[in-house]
Amino acid sequence: SYELTQPPSVSVSPGQTASIPCSGDKLGTRYACWYQQKPGQSPVLVIYQDNKRPSGIPERFSGSTSGNTATLTISGTQALDEADYYCQAWGSSTVVFGGGTKLTVL
Amino acid sequence: QVQLVQSGAEVKKPGASVNVSCKASGFTFTSYGISWVRQAPGKGLEWMGWISVYNGNTNHAQKLQGRVTMTTDTSTSTAYMELRSLRSDDTAVYYCASSGTPAAHFDYWGQGTLVTVSS
Repeated sequence: SYELTQPPSVSVSPGQTASIPCSGDKLGTRYACWYQQKPGQSPVLVIYQDNKRPSGIPERFSGSTSGNTATLTISGTQALDEADYYCQAWGSSTVVFGGGTKLTVL
Repeated sequence: QVQLVQSGAEVKKPGASVNVSCKASGFTFTSYGISWVRQAPGKGLEWMGWISVYNGNTNHAQKLQGRVTMTTDTSTSTAYMELRSLRSDDTAVYYCASSGTPAAHFDYWGQGTLVTVSS
């Protein structure tokens, strides 16, 4: 079955750039998207089709893919960006989520 | 604005069934599909399946085959998910989410429904 792998945690200082990787076999040939989830809230789509931002998502959120890895980048990270982030792709005829990465802003 | 409003929390005994509803507004319901995603306490997101509102086609996660049924009612713009033969590890928050195809991203999410399975 298809799998997506994310690091459990990433830390970043306020104002710096956070990068969250998501790896999967031939991920670069599939569309990847990213969700932000804060405690007690529903996930929110922040990047779709690898690098597109939905309306209302700040420009500091961007996405890219290369080879087997998709990356969510948050530029000028703010305290309110502290959350869990999940990548998602379509693989083996199912939707697959990565295990999630807890972003800590400290 | 787009809204997906889910039914309230449920407590069920092992072996029972649960039915969660998801009422859509603010978009053309029949132009989309609805996916169901669950999240066990402290865990990540798990996709359960997708249903096309247009023609009723479904696509389920293999591990839930035979236990889950997804339906829609276009007259009320509501999607339903029934999970049968509940076990303790089905305890989770269940979300509905809109997506154009089973392979597409989820544009909007419901607020979640907590289902607790306990004897």
